[in-house]
Amino acid sequence: QVQLVQSGAEVKKPGSSVKVSCRASGDTFLNYNINWVRQAPGQGLEWLGGFISIFRTTNYALKFQGRITITADESTSTVYMELRSLKSDDTAVYFCANMLPSGYCSGADCPSWLDPWGQGTLVTVSS
Amino acid sequence: SYEVTQPLSVSVALGQTATITCAGDNIGSKNVHWYQQRPGQAPLLVIYRVAYRPSGIPERFSGSNSGNTATLTISSAQAGDDADYYCLVWDGPSWVFGGGTELTVL
Repeated sequence: QVQLVQSGAEVKKPGSSVKVSCRASGDTFLNYNINWVRQAPGQGLEWLGGFISIFRTTNYALKFQGRITITADESTSTVYMELRSLKSDDTAVYFCANMLPSGYCSGADCPSWLDPWGQGTLVTVSS
Repeated sequence: SYEVTQPLSVSVALGQTATITCAGDNIGSKNVHWYQQRPGQAPLLVIYRVAYRPSGIPERFSGSNSGNTATLTISSAQAGDDADYYCLVWDGPSWVFGGGTELTVL
């Protein structure tokens, strides 16, 4: 069973960047297809992007393209999410989640889902 | 982009059946997944691929999907079911969450 452990809370200034990590264990690296989801205070869930292990590629939500980078370190089974040019409304809890059973989907439907999830990392953007 | 709509809140009496809907254009042609989220916790998968329950999820949780509406049904609702519930669908190449439904067990 895959387990995901995220890095600790961060406080950042507007305009700066944050890099959150998600360390996976319990399976092989090829089965770690880590996606990132955030939740602003009192709000719903919002998908940011994901890492497709088999292709070593990434997929980003249109809203965040140009501001987000997801990278992976196979040697430590850790996936990183960096968000740049932070604004106050980027204040949120950021979750990582594994995409099962396949990290790759094409077309209008996908038989995969997101599970399990990391514990979440609070990122606060404040001057 | 694809949008899915959930009711903001649903109330159910203890022991009765709660239904939470997720509406989207022809959502019946998609795989829908459901998550339960309690305050301060990460989302927990309760239904995947429309109607499958992960190990450890009570049989009281069930799902269906047809036409323009997917439904999460919680039978014999218990106090511990008090939580927010989110549907999730794929709209290639992105994941789309419903806005979430707050379930209150009275």
